[in-house]
Amino acid sequence: DTAVSQTPKYLVTQMGNDKSIKCEQNLGHDTMYWYKQDSKKFLKIMFSYNNKELIINETVPNRFSPKSPDKAHLNLHINSLELGDSAVYFCASKRGETQYFGPGTRLLVL
Amino acid sequence: ELKVEQNPLFLSMQEGKNYTIYCNYSTTSDRLYWYRQDPGKSLESLFVLLSNGAVKQEGRLMASLDTKARLSTLHITAAVHDLSATYFCAVGHYGGSQGNLIFGKGTKLSVKP
Repeated sequence: DTAVSQTPKYLVTQMGNDKSIKCEQNLGHDTMYWYKQDSKKFLKIMFSYNNKELIINETVPNRFSPKSPDKAHLNLHINSLELGDSAVYFCASKRGETQYFGPGTRLLVL
Repeated sequence: ELKVEQNPLFLSMQEGKNYTIYCNYSTTSDRLYWYRQDPGKSLESLFVLLSNGAVKQEGRLMASLDTKARLSTLHITAAVHDLSATYFCAVGHYGGSQGNLIFGKGTKLSVKP
């Protein structure tokens, strides 16, 4: 069974569009995250969220917004996509001290 | 601001050799994580180090943590080709209640026959 899943796996879109990436975890974890991995493989936290608190990395543009319809899901909405948004986006969830990562969504903005 | 530095960033080694990857971080933390990433894949948790002096071993990999020196090492013993991957260290950053990870830039390891 997949612990943390993301859809879509690949996303190719035009500048200016709005898109969403979905993340689901079936582990019963309380805390979920979004990370961005750029073309140089550098990983950076974007958001961390549980049902009580959202923490936003201050460097993340407000075009990015996480939305959690329930405890098992943390979706990422991106408005007015820019070329620099092209990256791999990873969702993760945490149990104890370990974060479990999803397979990633490869976003290409043309 | 917490900074995490890994070195080397690229490592090419022969099978059977030993080597160490270093991870330095800039502020106090007692949570250090090592992850492996294969090309085009997700991140796989290797080790979680939660206290000064912690040492963990799995197969040919051994990780250690010195919180006083703000240093973690990942030692590779008798490398084999299957270990070729990118290895990331990450430091736990616990602003707020959830905590998140601050990653190093990764060490791309290539093991050649």
